[in-house]
Amino acid sequence: KQEVTQIPAALSVPEGENLVLNCSFTDSAIYNLQWFRQDPGKGLTSLLLIQSSQREQTSGRLNASLDKSSGRSTLYIAASQPGDSATYLCAVEKAAGNKLTFGGGTRVLVKP
Amino acid sequence: EAQVTQNPRYLITVTGKKLTVTCSQNMNHEYMSWYRQDPGLGLRQIYYSMNVEVTDKGDVPEGYKVSRKEKRNFPLILESPSPNQTSLYFCASSPRSSGETQYFGPGTRLLVL
Repeated sequence: KQEVTQIPAALSVPEGENLVLNCSFTDSAIYNLQWFRQDPGKGLTSLLLIQSSQREQTSGRLNASLDKSSGRSTLYIAASQPGDSATYLCAVEKAAGNKLTFGGGTRVLVKP
Repeated sequence: EAQVTQNPRYLITVTGKKLTVTCSQNMNHEYMSWYRQDPGLGLRQIYYSMNVEVTDKGDVPEGYKVSRKEKRNFPLILESPSPNQTSLYFCASSPRSSGETQYFGPGTRLLVL
């Protein structure tokens, strides 16, 4: 059974500092890995999707890497801003069926 | 605007009173899914549908029913709600059955007394 872990559960940084969020998964037979952002009381917004054949994806200040063999992904957010404060979730998709298995999330607070 | 909508957004009900949470998407997506989010347990899939009239169980289907009569709609039915179904529910959709970004609705917060 696939298990996804995100450490730390919470993170607080001063504005301008780079954020590094970690995600690990137990079964390397994944189809893809996705990073989501969740704001309090709201739904999930997809940030990046990395296919299993890719090593990384970038979007603006966000960069996500994937090391399937070691079962790890890292989300980097450069030059953090207070607006980056949210919970970040990673999820892996099985080889078929589009079932997503989610990690518990990392709650990020960026202090002005 | 491309979106997934859910109704109601908030609901307080009593044990045993049947309820339906609606989900609709306007992106012509084939795949739709329901998740519940609970503190300490994260997001878990309840049911999913790969296309019209095709549904299947996720990780926690007990106590729930779904139907997919039309491509755009995927209602979640609680025939006899119980307090352990108090949770935050999310509907999601994606263009195909795998390999695509999932788009999530805003969530429905349900309290069963």
